[in-house]
Amino acid sequence: AQTVTQSQPEMSVQEAETVTLSCTYDTSESDYYLFWYKQPPSRQMILVIRQEAYKQQNATENRFSVNFQKAAKSFSLKISDSQLGDAAMYFCAYGSNYQLIWGAGTKLIIKP
Amino acid sequence: GAVVSQHPSWVICKSGTSVKIECRSLDFQATTMFWYRQFPKQSLMLMATSNEGSKATYEQGVEKDKFLINHASLTLSTLTVTSAHPEDSSFYICSARTGSRFGGYTFGSGTRLTVV
Repeated sequence: AQTVTQSQPEMSVQEAETVTLSCTYDTSESDYYLFWYKQPPSRQMILVIRQEAYKQQNATENRFSVNFQKAAKSFSLKISDSQLGDAAMYFCAYGSNYQLIWGAGTKLIIKP
Repeated sequence: GAVVSQHPSWVICKSGTSVKIECRSLDFQATTMFWYRQFPKQSLMLMATSNEGSKATYEQGVEKDKFLINHASLTLSTLTVTSAHPEDSSFYICSARTGSRFGGYTFGSGTRLTVV
């Protein structure tokens, strides 16, 4: 069975600095997606970035980028130039043909 | 982009009554809908997966008779919490798969249920 592990329950970063959130996963499948979702206090799930497993190039979305290490089954999220609005819970998720498998989440605190 | 409208946003009900939560896909056809429950400061827990026109598939430990899921059309899925009790109080979120593969999901805004 697939699993997703986020080992950092909480992270804090100074505004304008860079922070990296860790995620590892386990699977025997070759075709899958990986996602980072943000859940602010409103609790609306917001897609931050996604990566297709067969694509070697790391996905980027403005200040957000991932370091996808397929062999190591690692999928970390880097947030550059952190802003106060980035404060939220961040969930890493694995997507296959059946469902999304979720990590436990990392609470990101932005210090002004 | 694809939008799922979830209602109500919050509801308070008396113990023993039933509550219905609706999720509508506004600009696409949601063939598959996922229903999650989220406890405070925890991750999403999948309750069931529903496909349009067929019975929902429930995760182990989820009571089918308590959490009734109906997906009668491609744009509407409902979750009914029957005979609600205080322990059913939680945050419920629906999510629909978008696109033909499994690389896209859109989420409803969630429903906070409080049973008193």
